[in-house]
Amino acid sequence: DQQVKQNSPSLSVQEGRISILNCDYTNSMFDYFLWYKKYPAEGPTFLISISSIKDKNEDGRFTVFLNKSAKHLSLHIVPSQPGDSAVYFCAASAGGGTSYGKLTFGQGTILTVHP
Amino acid sequence: KAGVTQTPRYLIKTRGQQVTLSCSPISGHRSVSWYQQTPGQGLQFLFEYFSETQRNKGNFPGRFSGRQFSNSRSEMNVSTLELGDSALYLCASSQLAGGDTGELFFGEGSRLTVL
Repeated sequence: DQQVKQNSPSLSVQEGRISILNCDYTNSMFDYFLWYKKYPAEGPTFLISISSIKDKNEDGRFTVFLNKSAKHLSLHIVPSQPGDSAVYFCAASAGGGTSYGKLTFGQGTILTVHP
Repeated sequence: KAGVTQTPRYLIKTRGQQVTLSCSPISGHRSVSWYQQTPGQGLQFLFEYFSETQRNKGNFPGRFSGRQFSNSRSEMNVSTLELGDSALYLCASSQLAGGDTGELFFGEGSRLTVL
């Protein structure tokens, strides 16, 4: 049962354009959402997060949007840079202290930004 | 500040053997989580420890176990290895006991190959 889904295995974008990565979830108990970026042979690194009480969070070139009614979130990268090429994971947490370390991840989307 | 350190980085075992992986969290971090990453299943939560106590456990068989020491270092053990246990095992640490930011800091992982 895939509770967090990233339906696009890959995305190819031109440098300078917008990259939009999508994520859907099914568990209504999820109240915190995160995006992680992973390069080959490295562990995932945290990018940006959003609480379910918000619908948008912005950090520099990265913006995450949350649509709770649709159980959908998206990550926008503007402008995209070749160094952004990596695997992007969407993750969700049911929150609370005891659930803190437990994230449910999507399958990942490979983003390629062409110069 | 040193990041999350995992040892060994690579190892090869044969079916039926057992393996122990080690994780040193970021100094001051008391929560340690373990994840398994495989091409087919993606990143899956194994368990989480906080102050030497297992607080959360994922849906893995009892062959997968772990522990945390008083200095927050953690080990995970897999007994009676199966071919399907071949994976990247990631350790993540966090500072907070609660779910404030949800950010986990990941190590580079231990790549286990079972022959």
